[in-house]
Amino acid sequence: GQSLEQPSEVTAVEGAIVQINCTYQTSGFYGLSWYQQHDGGAPTFLSYNALDGLEETGRFSSFLSRSDSYGYLLLQELQMKDSASYFCAVRDPGGFKTIFGAGTRLFVKA
Amino acid sequence: EPEVTQTPSHQVTQMGQEVILRCVPISNHLYFYWYRQILGQKVEFLVSFYNNEISEKSEIFDDQFSVERPDGSNFTLKIRSTKLEDSAMYFCASSTGTPNEKLFFGSGTQLSVL
Repeated sequence: GQSLEQPSEVTAVEGAIVQINCTYQTSGFYGLSWYQQHDGGAPTFLSYNALDGLEETGRFSSFLSRSDSYGYLLLQELQMKDSASYFCAVRDPGGFKTIFGAGTRLFVKA
Repeated sequence: EPEVTQTPSHQVTQMGQEVILRCVPISNHLYFYWYRQILGQKVEFLVSFYNNEISEKSEIFDDQFSVERPDGSNFTLKIRSTKLEDSAMYFCASSTGTPNEKLFFGSGTQLSVL
C-alpha cells in the first residue's frame, strides 16, 4: 500500500521561508506531487518531482530524495495569500489513483 | 486555462434520497476521477474512469455509488440512497493520464445529507 506523512500544521510570518516535509512509503514510485488548497476551494497542482533534486517555480520549490523516500515543499517570501493546506501526493503505480497525504495547514502571520 | 466544471456547487438532500453530481472534465483529457473530502480531512479517492469504464475504485465506492459518462462531455456520480456519512465535498478531476499526471480538479459539490 501507499502512505504519506506530513506535519498537520505549520505557522510562519510574512516574508519568511517555510519548508513542509513529506515522507512516503510506497510499493512503487513514479514521483511526488504537491497541491495547494485554500479553504472552500479545490486542490490545485503546484509541482511534481520524478527525479532527485530541487525543482523551482517562482517562490515555490520542491525537493525529492528517492533514496530517503522524502520530499519537501519550500515556500519563500511568504505572503498572507499562501495561508492554505498543502498536500503531498503520489500516483499509485499499480493503478489509476493518486493518493494524498493528510495535508499540512500553513498559517501565515503578519 | 481549461477547467473542470461541476454542478451543483451545493446539494442538500434527505437521507435515503438519490443524488446525481455532475462534472464536465477538460475536453482532451482521458482519465476522470471522483474524490471526496470530509471537512478538514484528506482528499480521498473514490473512483477512476477510463475508456468508458471504471478502471479502479476504492472501498468507499460501494454498491450505492455509480458513475456514468452519458455523452461525450459529462461525467456523473450517482449516490443511490444517501446516508448521513456521505456528507462531504465531492471533487471531480481529470487528467491526461501520464505518470507525472497533473490532476485538474473542479470546484466541488458540497453535499449535505440531513
